[in-house]
Amino acid sequence: QSVLTQPPSVSGAPGQRVTISCTGSNSNIGAGYDVHWYQQLPGTAPKLLISGNNNRPSGVPDRFSGSKSGTSASLAITGLQAEDEADYYCQSYDTNLSGSDVIFGGGTKLTVL
Amino acid sequence: QVQLRESGPGLVKPSQTLSLTCSVSGGSISSGSYYWSWIRQHPGRGLQWIAYIHDSGSTYYNPSLRSRVTLSVDSSKNQFSLKLRSVTAADTAVYYCARVARGVYRFDTWGQGTLVTVSS
Repeated sequence: QSVLTQPPSVSGAPGQRVTISCTGSNSNIGAGYDVHWYQQLPGTAPKLLISGNNNRPSGVPDRFSGSKSGTSASLAITGLQAEDEADYYCQSYDTNLSGSDVIFGGGTKLTVL
Repeated sequence: QVQLRESGPGLVKPSQTLSLTCSVSGGSISSGSYYWSWIRQHPGRGLQWIAYIHDSGSTYYNPSLRSRVTLSVDSSKNQFSLKLRSVTAADTAVYYCARVARGVYRFDTWGQGTLVTVSS
């Protein structure tokens, strides 16, 4: 079970807007650590999609945006396209009694209908 | 542009040691601003961070794997390596190496990944 909780799947029709949530706790997102998002197209390595809560690396369309509030974060995709069908992962950092760890969400599969 | 590439055996026998190397090109592993990391993905599953290392030699491990993992860096070859001891079928996964921005823990560059199967 992942420390960061994501819905297993979301779906939307082309052109629609979808959001993917990432719920953490006071030892990770709520402690102020950045949340990053990755896109993993089928059969490929993950790719950095959103960094530092809402910064898009060069080449990432502005249809993708991120936000963070309290112990949660969200990824929004507007103007959904068929090529957006992929797995999406949130990632942050966690400090607890056993140490400090990089943590990933369990991933969300986006289906474009 | 920095590129990473994993290499190593695709098949390892149970109880043996899995050894992988990540070769870094287009930039120096000794830049100081980054950690160099390993992540794995079990078939059909999510991502699991294994560990990362700084070119100074400082290492940080996932607590669940710490007892079996060793990372090392060879700055002269611009490479870093993973050793995972006493493997079982549960260690069958795609292994990725990645560059991590220090301070923000952002995995900004990934290798293509290599599938390692543990089987006799």
